Amino acid sequence: GNSVTQMEGPVTLSEEAFLTINCTYTATGYPSLFWYVQYPGEGLQLLLKATKADDKGSNKGFEATYRKETTSFHLEKGSVQVSDSAVYFCALSARDGGFKTIFGAGTRLFVKA
Amino acid sequence: DVKVTQSSRYLVKRTGEKVFLECVQDMDHENMFWYRQDPGLGLRLIYFSYDVKMKEKGDIPEGYSVSREKKERFSLILESASTNQTSMYLCASGGTGDDEQYFGPGTRLTVT
Repeated sequence: GNSVTQMEGPVTLSEEAFLTINCTYTATGYPSLFWYVQYPGEGLQLLLKATKADDKGSNKGFEATYRKETTSFHLEKGSVQVSDSAVYFCALSARDGGFKTIFGAGTRLFVKA
Repeated sequence: DVKVTQSSRYLVKRTGEKVFLECVQDMDHENMFWYRQDPGLGLRLIYFSYDVKMKEKGDIPEGYSVSREKKERFSLILESASTNQTSMYLCASGGTGDDEQYFGPGTRLTVT
């Protein structure tokens, strides 16, 4: 079946550091890939998405590229801020999975001032 | 802006009680979902619905039921709450196909 694996946290960085959160997936079809973010006390919200190979999703300085050859969708940001502290979820949705979204376990990010 | 609201942010119930969690969305979405979120396990799908009065089991439906009598409202029911159902419950709605999902703020349920 379809699955998502993302790096375990927590990840602790200083402000302005470079961020990478790794995400790999398993899917038999051609899934759409997502990154969601959950700020403290809130539900999840979409951060970015990509729907086909080599697409790059971007939002609020975050980027992720859909790499079919390595089945990866790593999240990156060049310079993190304290306000980026949150839990980040990688997810996929695929036609052969009935379009149910499969979420990774989440990676908690702490950014220190 | 899409809005998904959930009836309670925090709820404390006793073992054996019947519990209703309500979710309302205002974007006329066909699909609605109930997840539970537990540390280290991410989000697990309990039930989802593609249309009014239609429901499908997710990955962990045991101990839960759902109701969708109107398009905008999707209710999760715990018939007899147990302590292992203590969790964060998230409702979401979304469009067709592989569109993104929009989440409510969550209900933190404690069963004592």
